[in-house]
Amino acid sequence: DIQMTQSPSSLSASVGDRVTITCRASQSISSYLNWYQQKPGKAPKLLIYAASSLQSGVPSRFSGSGSGTDFTLTISSLQPEDFATYYCQQSYSTPIFTFGPGTKVDIK
Amino acid sequence: EVQLVESGGGLVQPGGSLRLSCAASGFTFSSYEMNWVRQAPGKGLEWVSYISSSGSTIYYADSVKGRFTISRDNAKNSLYLQMNSLRAEDTAVYYCARLSYGYNENYYYYMDVWGKGTTVTVSS
Repeated sequence: DIQMTQSPSSLSASVGDRVTITCRASQSISSYLNWYQQKPGKAPKLLIYAASSLQSGVPSRFSGSGSGTDFTLTISSLQPEDFATYYCQQSYSTPIFTFGPGTKVDIK
Repeated sequence: EVQLVESGGGLVQPGGSLRLSCAASGFTFSSYEMNWVRQAPGKGLEWVSYISSSGSTIYYADSVKGRFTISRDNAKNSLYLQMNSLRAEDTAVYYCARLSYGYNENYYYYMDVWGKGTTVTVSS
């Protein structure tokens, strides 16, 4: 089974900060990596798929990179509505999926 | 509007059963593969089950295999999750999620539409 880890588990940042979240897979997953944003009491929302492809309607301040085992989600300039928990998900073993444990981004 | 609406959650005793439903609208349900994903209180997301567009191919997470059954009725635009032998650790919000894909030399799958979730509590 493919295991996913994320770092950090939480971070505090200010509006306007550049934020980077890391996701690591237990084996190479090529570019089969998605990122989701979840706000409290809400369903997850797809941000990035195939490691770096921005989902339609998602602001361009979000970007993804990486391949193989190491991936990053970057928010270029953090906005108030970006305070949330972010999850990576591998789709290499579709239709069996694994999510990372999440990274909570809160206000400094 | 593309929409998924879950229902059927509630309080059930350990060992009991519950059937969740997910009603789809705004898209051609029969063309899409579907999933159930759950989230225990204060925890992360856990994939539970997958079903192909025709219903002929099904997968489960090891944590629910043998106890949960996923199914769909394309004529009713509905997805289901029959949950038996429920345990306290099955307590969670259950989401249905549509599986889509993009193509760039390979097919890249992702869950692009999610319902708001239905809460299942297993407790005596």
